[in-house]
Amino acid sequence: QKEVEQDPGPLSVPEGAIVSLNCTYSNSAFQYFMWYRQYSRKGPELLMYTYSSGNKEDGRFTAQVDKSSKYISLFIRDSQPSDSATYLCAMTKAAGNKLTFGGGTRVLVKP
Amino acid sequence: GAVVSQHPSRVICKSGTSVKIECRSLDFQATTMFWYRQFPKQSLMLMATSNEGSKATYEQGVEKDKFLINHASLTLSTLTVTSAHPEDSSFYICSARTQGATNEKLFFGSGTQLSVL
Repeated sequence: QKEVEQDPGPLSVPEGAIVSLNCTYSNSAFQYFMWYRQYSRKGPELLMYTYSSGNKEDGRFTAQVDKSSKYISLFIRDSQPSDSATYLCAMTKAAGNKLTFGGGTRVLVKP
Repeated sequence: GAVVSQHPSRVICKSGTSVKIECRSLDFQATTMFWYRQFPKQSLMLMATSNEGSKATYEQGVEKDKFLINHASLTLSTLTVTSAHPEDSSFYICSARTQGATNEKLFFGSGTQLSVL
């Protein structure tokens, strides 16, 4: 079993819809949680960075962490075709430790 | 945000040759750099961690004699794939951060697609 599980998709939504992404994990020691966006053949770009349980909002993006369920989510409101990419969750035990990535979910936002 | 430049973006080579990939931090001192490989539709797998001036720490299962990492300056790390074979074909990505920085300040290069014929 992988430490971090993420549905590979693809997840196809119409423009303007809410995109809902999630990851589950098995290691309760993870404390820091990140979401990255990766366009094809490019490096990942950090979208959200959260610590422990709770919600964080930044523009159209909302990240949620439920440590009791070992479940994290990312919501993208008012999705645009430019949001079409692969979204990777990542997590770590301490602030500067190496990251453990999920496999990524491919998202397609159709005009 | 900070910029990490990775070069080349794409390389095609013959089996048995060596390939060098460069990762540069353009506007900060990268005391720590990470090298990942990514197969199609799969996640990033950490290969090694390098701290400036020290030997790299390799993850389990990664051959250090095959994937040579040099981090001799605060702005440059290189990954050399020695005697490359078709199974080494992959997307290689570096990331960098400065000393004491959290992963919120971890920046990724744009990746190198290696194809070994």
